[in-house]
Amino acid sequence: NAGVMQNPRHLVRRRGQEARLRCSPVKGHSHVYWYRQLPEEGLKFMVYLQKENIIDESGMPKERFSAEFPKEGPSILRIQQVVRGDSAAYFCASSPPGTQVKQPQHFGDGTRLSIL
Amino acid sequence: GESVGLHLPTLSVQEGDNSIINCAYSNSASDYFIWYKQESGKGPQFIIDIRSNMDKRQGQRVTVLLNKTVKHLSLQIAATQPGDSAVYFCAENGSGNTGKLIFGQGTTLQVKP
Repeated sequence: NAGVMQNPRHLVRRRGQEARLRCSPVKGHSHVYWYRQLPEEGLKFMVYLQKENIIDESGMPKERFSAEFPKEGPSILRIQQVVRGDSAAYFCASSPPGTQVKQPQHFGDGTRLSIL
Repeated sequence: GESVGLHLPTLSVQEGDNSIINCAYSNSASDYFIWYKQESGKGPQFIIDIRSNMDKRQGQRVTVLLNKTVKHLSLQIAATQPGDSAVYFCAENGSGNTGKLIFGQGTTLQVKP
């Protein structure tokens, strides 16, 4: 059983470029979450998506950041015009459908984004 | 505001001893809690969870205790092994349908042989 797959594992960009991070959830999971982690810190929630819908984007910066989870294909976290402060590890998690009983989120191994 | 915090940033234990990692949370409406283990260069790995209608839950070598009165969560690891060395995070999920997990800062567990 494949877990959450994220790619690339490492991504280097220069200031002003775009970064695209991909996440394939666990097979059968329809809920995807993105988190950001700075060194020596806990994970910070960014966005929660279900297929083709953004459910909660309260943790997303208002500018330059966007996320999608299309009907087909992986979820994408897109950062436009990257700045040094965007350097971090970005983690994706997924959980199965159904909202009656909360389920644990299962995480991928992250994308480490470095901005030169 | 919502916050989840851990009392100690680093815990050092002898191999074979029991470990206890503590966590305080501030949102009394949270109804679901999870402990994760994170090794260097990897994503958080699910250890155990507990819902607010319980005060104790046991897994293999791990026990989670929930004290809603003082908003405190703890993770107990029995017979700690070198492979348990990692950073441990508690996370809370608020009431309702929110998918948002709020993580604490993490406790580094060091196991001495």
